[in-house]
Amino acid sequence: AQSVTQLGSHVSVSEGALVLLRCNYSSSVPPYLFWYVQYPNQGLQLLLKYTSAATLVKGINGFEAEFKKSETSFHLTKPSAHMSDAAEYFCALNTGFQKLVFGTGTRLLVSP
Amino acid sequence: DGGITQSPKYLFRKEGQNVTLSCEQNLNHDAMYWYRQDPGQGLRLIYYSQIVNDFQKGDIAEGYSVSREKKESFPLTVTSAQKNPTAFYLCASSIPAGLAGGHNEQFFGPGTRLTVL
Repeated sequence: AQSVTQLGSHVSVSEGALVLLRCNYSSSVPPYLFWYVQYPNQGLQLLLKYTSAATLVKGINGFEAEFKKSETSFHLTKPSAHMSDAAEYFCALNTGFQKLVFGTGTRLLVSP
Repeated sequence: DGGITQSPKYLFRKEGQNVTLSCEQNLNHDAMYWYRQDPGQGLRLIYYSQIVNDFQKGDIAEGYSVSREKKESFPLTVTSAQKNPTAFYLCASSIPAGLAGGHNEQFFGPGTRLTVL
């Protein structure tokens, strides 16, 4: 079965610190992977997507993610956190037939 | 500007009443989706439609119904049979997977928060 696991429902960092949000996947076919961000009471916005063209993917707002097939991971990073990064982040896997499977989300808390 | 609109933003319903959530897109996307979001559970797929006049059940379709009479519109009805309807509902759309090589991201609306009183 295809699935996504996000380790840590909450991650706390200080402003200026490295952000690391973890995502592991399980897929029987080559995966297409996505990271979305959700601010309170809003819809989801695409941060970046892995399409097999490159293992290191750069997205919006300074975020990037690295696809590691050997580790079945697609962790999201940002070198320096900003207060505006506080939000919930979702990793998602394309299962084919246009359906996405989402992880349970990680809430990022940024303290001054 | 192209995008997805959902209305209303907040909706209150009495137990036993049906209620319909609106979703409209002007992105010319063929596929549309409805998700339910509960705290700590991520997004769960209710229904999806790949083309007009066709739709399929997702993982949690019981107590919900949809229609797809127009490409732009995909309304969701929460019926009285849904035991715990209080949640945040998100609508999304995408281009067909065949046109995007499989990596077709979904675009999301702003959501409707439904509360059953």
